[in-house]
Amino acid sequence: RKEVEQDPGPFNVPEGATVAFNCTYSNSASQSFFWYRQDCRKEPKLLMSVYSSGNEDGRFTAQLNRASQYISLLIRDSKLSDSATYLCVVKSSGDDKIIFGKGTRLHILP
Amino acid sequence: SQTIHQWPATLVQPVGSPLSLECTVEGTSNPNLYWYRQAAGRGLQLLFYSVGIGQISSEVPQNLSASRPQDRQFILSSKKLLLSDSGFYLCAWSVDGLTDTQYFGPGTRLTVL
Repeated sequence: RKEVEQDPGPFNVPEGATVAFNCTYSNSASQSFFWYRQDCRKEPKLLMSVYSSGNEDGRFTAQLNRASQYISLLIRDSKLSDSATYLCVVKSSGDDKIIFGKGTRLHILP
Repeated sequence: SQTIHQWPATLVQPVGSPLSLECTVEGTSNPNLYWYRQAAGRGLQLLFYSVGIGQISSEVPQNLSASRPQDRQFILSSKKLLLSDSGFYLCAWSVDGLTDTQYFGPGTRLTVL
């Protein structure tokens, strides 16, 4: 099993729809989780941290499921500007390893 | 506020030539600094990280090296580039340890011919 896995997509979603994607991780000692957004040929930018209790930021909701070892990102009322690649990041405090997923490509269609 | 700079933005180099990429951070002291590479169609790969001046940890053995001559300056170098060194090189910083949020610079797109 890969350390961090994401469905590469692309997810082609009409504007205004809700879309969700998951990221699975293999190291049960993982402690910190993040979602980053990366536009084409640009640097990744932090979208949100993922807390154990789940967290919401506007149209974006992130959740962590430790039992099944995955995190999720839900985008409601999607906008054209949401088109990007979404990277999952998992860090473990034990060995200080930082693992980036390869990303999920999202295309919002007008 | 903190800002991170990288240069050059793009670079085309022949195989066997040397490389020097620079990253500087403003607005913070004693940041943790990181070099990543993102090859086409692949995920981000951590190359080096530094928790202080002169302190470099290498994650992946290769023909690259890193140095931190000043608190907020991080340099990625190579004596002889390989074709496989092509990619998008990203510098990042964080406030504390490796479990903290990282903020990325604009990146350098390197093509080795």
